[in-house]
Amino acid sequence: DTEVTQTPKHLVMGMTNKKSLKCEQHMGHRAMYWYKQKAKKPPELMFVYSYEKLSINESVPSRFSPECPNSSLLNLHLHALQPEDSALYLCASSQGQGAFNYGYTFGSGTRLTVV
Amino acid sequence: DQQVKQNSPSLSVQEGRISILNCDYTNSMFDYFLWYKKYPAEGPTFLISISSIKDKNEDGRFTVFLNKSAKHLSLHIVPSQPGDSAVYFCAASGYNFNKFYFGSGTKLNVKP
Repeated sequence: DTEVTQTPKHLVMGMTNKKSLKCEQHMGHRAMYWYKQKAKKPPELMFVYSYEKLSINESVPSRFSPECPNSSLLNLHLHALQPEDSALYLCASSQGQGAFNYGYTFGSGTRLTVV
Repeated sequence: DQQVKQNSPSLSVQEGRISILNCDYTNSMFDYFLWYKKYPAEGPTFLISISSIKDKNEDGRFTVFLNKSAKHLSLHIVPSQPGDSAVYFCAASGYNFNKFYFGSGTKLNVKP
């Protein structure tokens, strides 16, 4: 299995809803990432988990809450989002800390719309 | 302020010819560079990498060139194929491999 699987592919949620995005990989990668990508903009790093511990939080608002229950799974819990949070949310994984030689493996993303 | 810039939002090339995608960066501490390809409705796919100790890296039809003094890298695709039509992102990082900065992408269209 050489894929990163993200569910759901599309999500529409109201500003008072609570929802979660899920990311799964079975490549034995020990680093997992959440990126946010707005239209015609580059992906922006949100969180990095390394060996199931949060190692980087790019000053993301607390309405986004990441969770790494095990080495294969990464969640992003969403609560009280704003319409400007609508974006493509990409999950990625890499072999340990060094993404360099192999790059990241990205999922296909969750297209989130906040109404 | 974007630290990695791809100033050409789009590029159109005839099949069989060379595609050259450019990327500039501002942070002299960047030492590691990646190129990704992205098809619609899919996540980015890793293509090729280069570190600052090299000025060229080849993988099949794809070659990345790095000019550290100019803070510029380029991706050459030879020969270009219609299946290469996608958005190409460059990304750069310093010693902390976990944090890569991405350019805004160049949409390549290879015409049959």
